[in-house]
Amino acid sequence: QKEVEQDPGPLSVPEGAIVSLNCTYSNSAFQYFMWYRQYSRKGPELLMYTYSSGNKEDGRFTAQVDKSSKYISLFIRDSQPSDSATYLCAMSGGAYSGGSNYKLTFGKGTLLTVNP
Amino acid sequence: NAGVTQTPKFQVLKTGQSMTLQCAQDMNHNSMYWYRQDPGMGLRLIYYSASEGTTDKGEVPNGYNVSRLNKREFSLRLESAAPSQTSVYFCASQRDRDSPLHFGNGTRLTVT
Repeated sequence: QKEVEQDPGPLSVPEGAIVSLNCTYSNSAFQYFMWYRQYSRKGPELLMYTYSSGNKEDGRFTAQVDKSSKYISLFIRDSQPSDSATYLCAMSGGAYSGGSNYKLTFGKGTLLTVNP
Repeated sequence: NAGVTQTPKFQVLKTGQSMTLQCAQDMNHNSMYWYRQDPGMGLRLIYYSASEGTTDKGEVPNGYNVSRLNKREFSLRLESAAPSQTSVYFCASQRDRDSPLHFGNGTRLTVT
C-alpha cells in the first residue's frame, strides 16, 4: 500500500460547481497536512496548511482532516476557470515524529479543469 | 520578494554531458530539497539538505550530486546525463521541519 493515495483524475466541472479533492494515507505519524496548487509549467504553490484533525477555511477553500479515517479533503466552492490546475496533497509527521517521518510525502496530484 | 529562484529554466543536453542546476532562496530557510517530477510518478525526492553543511540522499539519488554552498544556495549536478534524467526539476526550501515547503518554478531538462 502506498503511503499517500490520490485519485489522479482528470476531474472536469462547470464553473460555479463545488469541487471535492481527496487523499488517503497509511502512516499514523502524519500530523501536518498541506494542499498545493500547481499551474501548468509552474512550481507547486502552498494553498492550505493544517495541523492535526479538523477544518480550516480560507476564502473559497476549505481543508478537512480526519485522522481517525486517515483521510483529507480540499473543497473548492464557487469554482472558477482560474482554479484549473493540478492539486497535490502532502503530509508529514513534523520535527519530532521520528525516523524520516518529518519529510513531506506527496500524493501524485489530481488534474482539475473548471469549464466556463 | 523572489522566494526560491532556479536557473536555468530550460536546458537540452546530449547523453554524457554534465551540467549544474542552481537554486537560491532568500527566505533564510534552513532546509533545501531537490525533486524531480515525471508524468504519472509525482514528485520524487533526489537529495536534501537539512541545514547548511549537511546533505542526504532521497528516494532517487543515483546519477546526481549536490552541494549546499551556503545557507542560500543548493546546487544539483548531473555528471554524465542520461535520457532517463529527462524531467522537470524543482528546488524547494523549508524554514524548519514543522513548516511547509516553498518551491521554485522548475528547470525543464531534456537529455537526447
